[in-house]
Amino acid sequence: SQQGEEDPQALSIQEGENATMNCSYKTSINNLQWYRQNSGRGLVHLILIRSNEREKHSGRLRVTLDTSKKSSSLLITASRAADTASYFCATVEETSGSRLTFGEGTQLTVNP
Amino acid sequence: NAGVTQTPKFQVLKTGQSMTLQCAQDMNHEYMSWYRQDPGMGLRLIHYSVGAGITDQGEVPNGYNVSRSTTEDFPLRLLSAAPSQTSVYFCASTRRGQGWTGELFFGEGSRLTVL
Repeated sequence: SQQGEEDPQALSIQEGENATMNCSYKTSINNLQWYRQNSGRGLVHLILIRSNEREKHSGRLRVTLDTSKKSSSLLITASRAADTASYFCATVEETSGSRLTFGEGTQLTVNP
Repeated sequence: NAGVTQTPKFQVLKTGQSMTLQCAQDMNHEYMSWYRQDPGMGLRLIHYSVGAGITDQGEVPNGYNVSRSTTEDFPLRLLSAAPSQTSVYFCASTRRGQGWTGELFFGEGSRLTVL
Protein backbone atom coordinates (compact mmCIF):
# COMPACT_ATOMS: atom_id res chain seq x y z
CA SER A 1 0.00 0.00 0.00
CA GLN A 2 1.09 3.56 -0.61
CA GLN A 3 2.56 5.45 2.31
CA GLY A 4 1.73 8.87 0.95
CA GLU A 5 -1.51 10.10 -0.53
CA GLU A 6 -1.65 13.38 -2.39
CA ASP A 7 -4.61 15.68 -2.57
CA PRO A 8 -5.94 16.86 -4.94
CA GLN A 9 -5.29 14.33 -7.68
CA ALA A 10 -5.45 17.13 -10.25
CA LEU A 11 -5.22 20.90 -10.00
CA SER A 12 -5.69 23.50 -12.73
CA ILE A 13 -4.82 27.15 -12.11
CA GLN A 14 -3.91 30.32 -14.00
CA GLU A 15 -0.40 31.66 -14.32
CA GLY A 16 0.48 33.86 -11.38
CA GLU A 17 -1.77 32.04 -8.93
CA ASN A 18 -0.48 29.95 -6.06
CA ALA A 19 -0.77 26.15 -6.10
CA THR A 20 -1.12 24.09 -2.96
CA MET A 21 -0.79 20.32 -2.86
CA ASN A 22 -1.22 18.16 0.20
CA CYS A 23 0.26 14.84 1.23
CA SER A 24 -0.78 12.52 4.04
CA TYR A 25 1.16 9.54 5.26
CA LYS A 26 0.62 6.69 7.68
CA THR A 27 3.72 5.89 9.71
CA SER A 28 6.48 7.75 11.55
CA ILE A 29 9.03 9.18 9.17
CA ASN A 30 12.63 10.37 9.09
CA ASN A 31 11.94 12.86 6.36
CA LEU A 32 9.49 13.77 3.63
CA GLN A 33 10.47 14.79 0.12
CA TRP A 34 8.72 16.34 -2.85
CA TYR A 35 9.54 15.42 -6.44
CA ARG A 36 8.43 16.80 -9.76
CA GLN A 37 7.89 14.84 -12.97
CA ASN A 38 7.44 16.46 -16.35
CA SER A 39 5.48 14.43 -18.87
CA GLY A 40 7.52 11.53 -20.18
CA ARG A 41 10.52 12.28 -17.99
CA GLY A 42 12.09 11.01 -14.79
CA LEU A 43 11.42 12.48 -11.37
CA VAL A 44 13.45 15.39 -10.08
CA HIS A 45 13.99 16.09 -6.39
CA LEU A 46 12.60 19.44 -5.27
CA ILE A 47 12.89 19.73 -1.51
CA LEU A 48 13.35 17.66 1.63
CA ILE A 49 11.99 18.37 5.09
CA ARG A 50 13.12 16.43 8.13
CA SER A 51 10.77 15.15 10.81
CA ASN A 52 12.02 17.76 13.30
CA GLU A 53 11.36 20.65 10.90
CA ARG A 54 8.03 22.39 10.42
CA GLU A 55 8.62 24.59 7.40
CA LYS A 56 11.15 24.92 4.64
CA HIS A 57 11.57 27.26 1.69
CA SER A 58 13.36 26.94 -1.63
CA GLY A 59 12.80 29.70 -4.15
CA ARG A 60 9.08 29.76 -4.95
CA LEU A 61 8.51 26.52 -3.03
CA ARG A 62 7.31 26.34 0.54
CA VAL A 63 6.86 23.02 2.31
CA THR A 64 5.25 22.47 5.68
CA LEU A 65 5.21 19.34 7.79
CA ASP A 66 2.82 18.49 10.61
CA THR A 67 3.96 15.22 12.16
CA SER A 68 1.04 15.18 14.61
CA LYS A 69 -1.38 15.06 11.66
CA LYS A 70 1.01 13.06 9.48
CA SER A 71 0.63 15.55 6.67
CA SER A 72 2.64 17.89 4.50
CA SER A 73 1.84 20.61 2.00
CA LEU A 74 3.72 22.00 -0.97
CA LEU A 75 3.00 25.57 -1.98
CA ILE A 76 4.20 26.93 -5.31
CA THR A 77 3.87 30.69 -5.39
CA ALA A 78 3.40 32.83 -8.50
CA SER A 79 3.03 29.76 -10.71
CA ARG A 80 4.26 29.66 -14.29
CA ALA A 81 3.20 27.57 -17.26
CA ALA A 82 6.55 25.76 -16.92
CA ASP A 83 5.43 24.49 -13.49
CA THR A 84 2.95 22.19 -15.25
CA ALA A 85 3.96 18.71 -14.10
CA SER A 86 3.08 15.92 -11.69
CA TYR A 87 4.21 16.39 -8.11
CA PHE A 88 4.89 13.50 -5.77
CA CYS A 89 5.54 13.32 -2.07
CA ALA A 90 7.78 10.57 -0.79
CA THR A 91 8.66 9.46 2.71
CA VAL A 92 11.56 7.74 4.37
CA GLU A 93 9.97 5.76 7.17
CA GLU A 94 11.72 5.48 10.51
CA THR A 95 11.70 1.70 10.36
CA SER A 96 12.39 1.21 6.65
CA GLY A 97 16.09 1.98 6.70
CA SER A 98 16.57 2.15 2.97
CA ARG A 99 13.19 2.65 1.36
CA LEU A 100 11.63 5.74 -0.14
CA THR A 101 7.87 5.33 -0.58
CA PHE A 102 5.95 7.50 -3.02
CA GLY A 103 2.39 8.74 -3.15
CA GLU A 104 0.23 8.73 -6.25
CA GLY A 105 0.94 12.31 -7.24
CA THR A 106 -0.89 15.54 -8.06
CA GLN A 107 -1.15 16.61 -11.68
CA LEU A 108 -0.73 20.39 -11.80
CA THR A 109 -1.71 22.33 -14.91
CA VAL A 110 -0.82 26.01 -15.05
CA ASN A 111 -2.69 27.79 -17.83
CA PRO A 112 -0.98 30.75 -19.51
CA ASN B 1 27.75 14.24 -15.98
CA ALA B 2 25.51 11.52 -17.35
CA GLY B 3 23.85 10.84 -13.98
CA VAL B 4 21.57 7.79 -14.15
CA THR B 5 21.32 6.17 -17.59
CA GLN B 6 18.63 3.66 -18.47
CA THR B 7 18.43 1.52 -21.60
CA PRO B 8 16.38 0.80 -23.58
CA LYS B 9 13.94 3.72 -23.51
CA PHE B 10 11.23 1.68 -25.20
CA GLN B 11 10.70 -2.07 -25.53
CA VAL B 12 7.89 -4.32 -26.72
CA LEU B 13 7.89 -7.94 -25.60
CA LYS B 14 5.68 -10.92 -26.14
CA THR B 15 4.34 -12.83 -23.16
CA GLY B 16 6.94 -15.29 -21.91
CA GLN B 17 9.96 -13.52 -23.34
CA SER B 18 12.80 -12.42 -21.11
CA MET B 19 14.77 -9.22 -21.13
CA THR B 20 17.04 -7.04 -19.04
CA LEU B 21 16.60 -3.35 -18.35
CA GLN B 22 19.97 -1.73 -17.86
CA CYS B 23 20.77 0.99 -15.34
CA ALA B 24 24.11 2.69 -14.86
CA GLN B 25 25.15 5.65 -12.73
CA ASP B 26 28.40 7.58 -12.71
CA MET B 27 28.00 9.35 -9.37
CA ASN B 28 29.56 6.59 -7.23
CA HIS B 29 26.25 6.14 -5.42
CA GLU B 30 26.05 3.18 -3.10
CA TYR B 31 22.25 2.94 -3.21
CA MET B 32 20.36 1.98 -6.37
CA SER B 33 16.74 1.03 -6.85
CA TRP B 34 14.10 0.13 -9.40
CA TYR B 35 10.55 1.47 -9.39
CA ARG B 36 7.63 0.86 -11.67
CA GLN B 37 5.10 3.57 -12.40
CA ASP B 38 1.55 2.72 -13.35
CA PRO B 39 -1.36 5.14 -13.91
CA GLY B 40 -3.10 6.01 -10.66
CA MET B 41 -0.64 4.03 -8.54
CA GLY B 42 2.36 6.28 -8.21
CA LEU B 43 5.76 4.64 -8.03
CA ARG B 44 6.22 1.25 -6.43
CA LEU B 45 9.57 -0.10 -5.32
CA ILE B 46 10.61 -3.36 -6.99
CA HIS B 47 14.13 -4.05 -5.72
CA TYR B 48 16.93 -2.04 -4.23
CA SER B 49 20.60 -2.36 -3.39
CA VAL B 50 22.69 -0.62 -0.74
CA GLY B 51 26.00 -1.65 -2.27
CA ALA B 52 27.77 -4.10 -4.56
CA GLY B 53 26.75 -7.66 -3.76
CA ILE B 54 23.75 -6.61 -1.66
CA THR B 55 20.16 -6.57 -2.91
CA ASP B 56 16.77 -6.63 -1.24
CA GLN B 57 13.14 -6.82 -2.21
CA GLY B 58 10.80 -3.87 -2.36
CA GLU B 59 7.03 -3.72 -2.46
CA VAL B 60 6.46 -5.57 -5.78
CA PRO B 61 9.43 -7.92 -6.42
CA ASN B 62 7.62 -10.89 -7.99
CA GLY B 63 8.61 -11.58 -11.59
CA TYR B 64 11.82 -9.54 -11.37
CA ASN B 65 15.42 -10.37 -10.55
CA VAL B 66 18.31 -8.06 -9.82
CA SER B 67 22.01 -8.31 -9.16
CA ARG B 68 24.66 -5.78 -8.18
CA SER B 69 28.13 -6.86 -9.21
CA THR B 70 29.53 -3.33 -9.48
CA THR B 71 28.77 0.00 -7.83
CA GLU B 72 27.84 1.51 -11.21
CA ASP B 73 25.36 -1.03 -12.60
CA PHE B 74 22.04 -2.40 -11.40
CA PRO B 75 20.22 -4.40 -14.10
CA LEU B 76 16.61 -5.51 -13.74
CA ARG B 77 15.71 -8.85 -15.30
CA LEU B 78 12.28 -10.02 -16.36
CA LEU B 79 12.53 -13.80 -16.65
CA SER B 80 9.14 -14.48 -18.26
CA ALA B 81 7.31 -11.30 -19.17
CA ALA B 82 3.59 -10.98 -18.45
CA PRO B 83 1.11 -8.32 -19.60
CA SER B 84 0.86 -7.17 -15.96
CA GLN B 85 4.46 -6.02 -16.25
CA THR B 86 3.54 -3.42 -18.85
CA SER B 87 4.70 -0.25 -17.16
CA VAL B 88 7.27 2.52 -17.07
CA TYR B 89 10.35 1.52 -15.12
CA PHE B 90 12.61 3.96 -13.34
CA CYS B 91 16.04 3.42 -11.93
CA ALA B 92 17.14 5.75 -9.14
CA SER B 93 20.27 6.13 -7.06
CA THR B 94 21.62 8.06 -4.12
CA ARG B 95 24.65 8.39 -1.93
CA ARG B 96 24.51 6.50 1.31
CA GLY B 97 26.55 6.78 4.45
CA GLN B 98 26.37 9.12 7.39
CA GLY B 99 23.40 11.43 7.18
CA TRP B 100 21.65 9.44 4.48
CA THR B 101 18.47 11.18 3.48
CA GLY B 102 17.23 9.09 0.61
CA GLU B 103 17.18 11.94 -1.92
CA LEU B 104 17.00 10.05 -5.20
CA PHE B 105 18.40 10.81 -8.64
CA PHE B 106 16.25 9.27 -11.37
CA GLY B 107 16.88 8.02 -14.86
CA GLU B 108 14.58 8.99 -17.71
CA GLY B 109 12.62 5.74 -17.60
CA SER B 110 12.15 2.64 -19.73
CA ARG B 111 8.69 2.12 -21.19
CA LEU B 112 7.88 -1.58 -21.49
CA THR B 113 4.88 -3.08 -23.24
CA VAL B 114 4.15 -6.80 -22.94
CA LEU B 115 1.71 -8.18 -25.50
